Amino acid sequence: SQKIEQNSEALNIQEGKTATLTCNYTNYSPAYLQWYRQDPGRGPVFLLLIRENEKEKRKERLKVTFDTTLKQSLFHITASQPADSATYLCALPGTGRRALTFGSGTRLQVQP
Amino acid sequence: EAGVAQSPRYKIIEKRQSVAFWCNPISGHATLYWYQQILGQGPKLLIQFQNNGVVDDSQLPKDRFSAERLKGVDSTLKIQPAKLEDSAVYLCASSPQGDTGELFFGEGSRLTVL
Repeated sequence: SQKIEQNSEALNIQEGKTATLTCNYTNYSPAYLQWYRQDPGRGPVFLLLIRENEKEKRKERLKVTFDTTLKQSLFHITASQPADSATYLCALPGTGRRALTFGSGTRLQVQP
Repeated sequence: EAGVAQSPRYKIIEKRQSVAFWCNPISGHATLYWYQQILGQGPKLLIQFQNNGVVDDSQLPKDRFSAERLKGVDSTLKIQPAKLEDSAVYLCASSPQGDTGELFFGEGSRLTVL
């Protein structure tokens, strides 16, 4: 069955460094992948979508890569700031339906 | 533009009691979703509506959960009777009709079952 894996351990980095989060998936060939940000007590907020024919997508300090051979997406935040501290979720369209299936998320903590 | 509205934000009940959550999606969004998010996990789809029809309810525990979207606008999710393991945040999301659109989430309704 389809499986999405994100590092469950929190990622702690210093302000100004680049944060890199990983999303791996198995038993699936998605046409696209999305990344969301979730703050405590809030609903997820959409950040970026990358399609299977795109290797890389950028938005301001965010960069996402999508390697369909490795079945992996990397999410980078450059020049990280304490305000970037949150949980980041990757999501893929479910097999046979359009609703998204979410990973468990990785919590990022940026230290000042 | 108003976002996805959900109520109540918090609810505490005892097991075997019933509870209902309400969601009003963004105006014009044809698709509405209910997700369950248990602490430390990602959101898990419960049910997806397209207008007022059900697209996918394969993961909805139908013996205790029910949902409706009668006029293709707002929606209600009900749990009866509640179990301890139903303690979670219930997230409503909506999207315009389309295959790859982003989901717009509400703030969620946090349920605690004692």
